[in-house]
Amino acid sequence: GQQLNQSPQSMFIQEGEDVSMNCTSSSIFNTWLWYKQEPGEGPVLLIALYKAGELTSNGRLTAQFGITRKDSFLNISASIPSDVGIYFCAGQRQGAQKLVFGQGTRLTINP
Amino acid sequence: GAGVSQTPSNKVTEKGKYVELRCDPISGHTALYWYRQSLGQGPEFLIYFQGTGAADDSGLPNDRFFAVRPEGSVSTLKIQRTERGDSAVYLCASSPPWDPETQYFGPGTRLLVL
Repeated sequence: GQQLNQSPQSMFIQEGEDVSMNCTSSSIFNTWLWYKQEPGEGPVLLIALYKAGELTSNGRLTAQFGITRKDSFLNISASIPSDVGIYFCAGQRQGAQKLVFGQGTRLTINP
Repeated sequence: GAGVSQTPSNKVTEKGKYVELRCDPISGHTALYWYRQSLGQGPEFLIYFQGTGAADDSGLPNDRFFAVRPEGSVSTLKIQRTERGDSAVYLCASSPPWDPETQYFGPGTRLLVL
């Protein structure tokens, strides 16, 4: 099935470092969402973006809705051990309720 | 308040058998979604309910898969004649009418077909 292109696929960083990941698509989305998933759990919503160019923060997390509406970025500042997990971007097209997901970015943090 | 709940949390079955997976959405959420997540992949959409009716079932892979939501709350995903390729985590999500773009996921049912 169709998925968004998410990169990088995995990241290995030191505690305290900043993290950046992004998601791109060949088509336009009206809503972008970022989720985090931990082992054995469902995805948990982190940030939702509704307008092109929008920049939204949630604590140490900041996400942006690309101006072309074909991409989105997530940044995590000053990473801590509990940030470990898989981060997924998801897009929603106008008039459609279903979400299209990226393949995920697996974040590992060395203390 | 309670989140989306799914039962069973794990299901092991044999090829050819029939299985039912249950989803209990957050109270007051009118929209309900089913997704399937294979190992190492993001969730893939199966079907979406608005109230009791299936508003979009374009993600169901074939006619062995069927879902119902008879009273507009609990939903059951039914898989007939299971195949080994059906093994995956089946996720359910719901969203409220006042914020329909935001979907809240349950913990999933891990299905293993032997």
